[in-house]
Amino acid sequence: DTAVSQTPKYLVTQMGNDKSIKCEQNLGHDTMYWYKQDSKKFLKIMFSYNNKELIINETVPNRFSPKSPDKAHLNLHINSLELGDSAVYFCASSGTGGFYGYTFGSGTRLTVV
Amino acid sequence: AQKITQTQPGMFVQEKEAVTLDCTYDTSDPSYGLFWYKQPSSGEMIFLIYQGSYDQQNATEGRYSLNFQKARKSANLVISASQLGDSAMYFCAMREGQGGKLIFGQGTELSVKP
Repeated sequence: DTAVSQTPKYLVTQMGNDKSIKCEQNLGHDTMYWYKQDSKKFLKIMFSYNNKELIINETVPNRFSPKSPDKAHLNLHINSLELGDSAVYFCASSGTGGFYGYTFGSGTRLTVV
Repeated sequence: AQKITQTQPGMFVQEKEAVTLDCTYDTSDPSYGLFWYKQPSSGEMIFLIYQGSYDQQNATEGRYSLNFQKARKSANLVISASQLGDSAMYFCAMREGQGGKLIFGQGTELSVKP
């Protein structure tokens, strides 16, 4: 009964490949996010979707394309992977009203070789 | 401009002692929320405590308390009676308005010594 689940947990791939990370939440939250944690542990927002609609798109290369088939799912597709894309990617979700708590997935460690 | 600042990259504390992790923030929005998260070496992000900008009292959750000083724009995390399992990276974060993204500080790595 994991609240926010991401797959895969680890992803090792070669430069130039295309890969996807999947995220699902069973909390009934309206908003989902992708965050990137770099090698210095800094966390930065990449994208946010509210009820399948893109609402935040930070300065991210267009090789990164989020897709939200429904409000419980937010996937991240990355084309033409580069060495600099190596990082930990976190999916998160938040509800509306009151506390607006954010729940994070366990992260996907992407290593590009 | 950096909106969330954690000035302590690393800290040490003796087991069973209390420790304060600093966090200052900058916003012109009167409505905001402040969060602390713990990230152990296993990598997951664990929510610890939340403080709303209109909350009159400082938030507390078990051994965690948030020392909220609104005029100084600081939201320090106090961990009482430190345990070895408290060794981790700690992040302060802010949400502006009633929804939307969290903005994170740089993090503080806490090491608890036996």
